[in-house]
This record gives sequence, C-alpha cells and structure tokens, in this order.
Amino acid sequence: AQTVTQSQPEMSVQEAETVTLSCTYDTSESDYYLFWYKQPPSRQMILVIRQEAYKQQNATENRFSVNFQKAAKSFSLKISDSQLGDAAMYFCARGVPGGGADGLTFGKGTHLIIQP
Amino acid sequence: NAGVTQTPKFQVLKTGQSMTLQCAQDMNHEYMSWYRQDPGMGLRLIHYSVGAGITDQGEVPNGYNVSRSTTEDFPLRLLSAAPSQTSVYFCASSSLGLAGETQYFGPGTRLLVL
Repeated sequence: AQTVTQSQPEMSVQEAETVTLSCTYDTSESDYYLFWYKQPPSRQMILVIRQEAYKQQNATENRFSVNFQKAAKSFSLKISDSQLGDAAMYFCARGVPGGGADGLTFGKGTHLIIQP
Repeated sequence: NAGVTQTPKFQVLKTGQSMTLQCAQDMNHEYMSWYRQDPGMGLRLIHYSVGAGITDQGEVPNGYNVSRSTTEDFPLRLLSAAPSQTSVYFCASSSLGLAGETQYFGPGTRLLVL
C-alpha cells in the first residue's frame, strides 16, 4: 500500500514564531496531488494548502507555504507568524486524478500546540 | 451553498443494529466518498462513487454498504453494527478533472457502538 508518513506526532511552537511540519510519501503515480488539512477540536477537516505534483513552484497561502521536494517525495508545511488559532491536528494527504480506490491517503497527523 | 452536510452529528447504537449515515452536497460534485477516523490514525477510505449509479470499495469496506441514486446524496449503511465500527465518519466530495481533486469534507458523524 502506498503510504504517507508524518514523523512528528506532536510539535510545539511559541506564538508568532515559525514552525515546519514534515511529511513524506510514496507513490508509483507520475501525476498526483498533495494536501495539508487542518483539524481543530471541532473535528472539521479544513483544507490548508494544495500542491499539484507537476508544478515545480511551491504553493503558498498567506502564512502557510510548502516545501515540495518531488525527487525526495517530501512535502513539508511551514507556518509563519504562528497564531493561537493555528493549534490543531494537521494531516498530510496524497490524492490522484479521478479519486479512485485510494481516494486520499492520509498520514497519522501532527498535533500542533501554540504556546502563548 | 451549504457544502457537504452530514446527519446525524452523533449516534449511539447497540451491537447488531443497523443505521444509515446521511451525506449530501450541493456543489454538483461527481466524486463522493466516505472515510472513517480512528484515534491515532489518519482517515481511511470506506467507499467511494464517481457518479450516480457508480460505487466502489475503498480500503476498509467490510460491514458497510453505499448507494448513489442522485448526484447530491451518498448514504452509508451499517448493516449490523459492531463495536469495531465505533469511529468518526466523514463524507467528502470533489469535482473531477484538472480544476478539481480537492476533497471538501462534511462536519463528521461520531458513532458509538455498544
């Protein structure tokens, strides 16, 4: 089975500082998508950022950016100027065109704690 | 736009009971899917559908049934509930094709099987 690995079960950062969450994946597909989802205590899954594998440019959404290293199969999330509202579980996920039997393959998540 | 809606929010079942978790989306998405989330795990795919009348199995389909009679609705049926099915269930939808692939999730249904 193709897997997504998040090696940091928990991370802690001071408010206003920068934190990077790690994610590696394996895939035999040449065309795929990578996502970071945020899950606050409400349990709602919220899309943070998305990256198409064919794009070399790293995706950015305001304070959130990724470092996509295709050859290394690495997809880390950088959160700049951390805010208390960023505290949540963060899940890395891989998807393929058309969805299919794999749907989204998720990592086990990283619990992000923001220290005031 | 309500997005993806799920009912109920929370349900308690006894072992052996059956029930249907409802999911609806108003974004005209072709692809719909059901995931379960267990403690310490990411989400795992149960069943999915690429359009009305078309469904297929995901990673963990045993004990669950689905149907897709309309584009909007994708109910998940538990045939005979077991304690191992205690979990949080998420429905998701996405459009297919170059502009799509991002899955949008419902708020989840928390299920407790005693």
